[in-house]
Amino acid sequence: GIQVEQSPPDLILQEGANSTLRCNFSDSVNNLQWFHQNPWGQLINLFYIPSGTKQNGRLSATTVATERYSLLYISSSQTTDSGVYFCAVERRDTGNQFYFGTGTSLTVIP
Amino acid sequence: DGGITQSPKYLFRKEGQNVTLSCEQNLNHDAMYWYRQDPGQGLRLIYYSQIVNDFQKGDIAEGYSVSREKKESFPLTVTSAQKNPTAFYLCASRRQGRTGELFFGEGSRLTVL
Repeated sequence: GIQVEQSPPDLILQEGANSTLRCNFSDSVNNLQWFHQNPWGQLINLFYIPSGTKQNGRLSATTVATERYSLLYISSSQTTDSGVYFCAVERRDTGNQFYFGTGTSLTVIP
Repeated sequence: DGGITQSPKYLFRKEGQNVTLSCEQNLNHDAMYWYRQDPGQGLRLIYYSQIVNDFQKGDIAEGYSVSREKKESFPLTVTSAQKNPTAFYLCASRRQGRTGELFFGEGSRLTVL
């Protein structure tokens, strides 16, 4: 399978601060997604971003597929941003399986 | 509304019992997946199915079984052979093809007493 490493593992921010989460992967991929797992356990889709840059409100993501990494930017963080952020990658020749990183646990304090 | 429904949300079972977790989707997605999550860990793939009546083992299939008799349904049975079944189970689905975003249900939390 593909190895997916996320950093940092834990992050504590003051409300209003900005942050960058990183996802490194060990091989070329066809698909990449970022998820936010809320305190109730549900995984919320943030970005589907196999390459390039996308923005959605205070969040944006960039994937540099040739260098095998993706970044998730959170600006002006809010307490509702707390939770765990996962990166997942897929390579078609591995049978349409998505491989997940171990996540970044974000806590935003007021 | 379209989505993925998992049931039950919480389940308790005694050791030695089999239990079946339900996953239903009305997104008309071809592929469905079951993942397991342990506290503080990422998601690990148990089984997946790309078409009806076909499924493949993931990385941790031992002690689990699935069926895919209908496109919209992909139930997971946790058997008594699974040595450490207490975990959070997540079902997902996606459209097949070159691009296909993965979507998740709300999860089922299984506790073995």
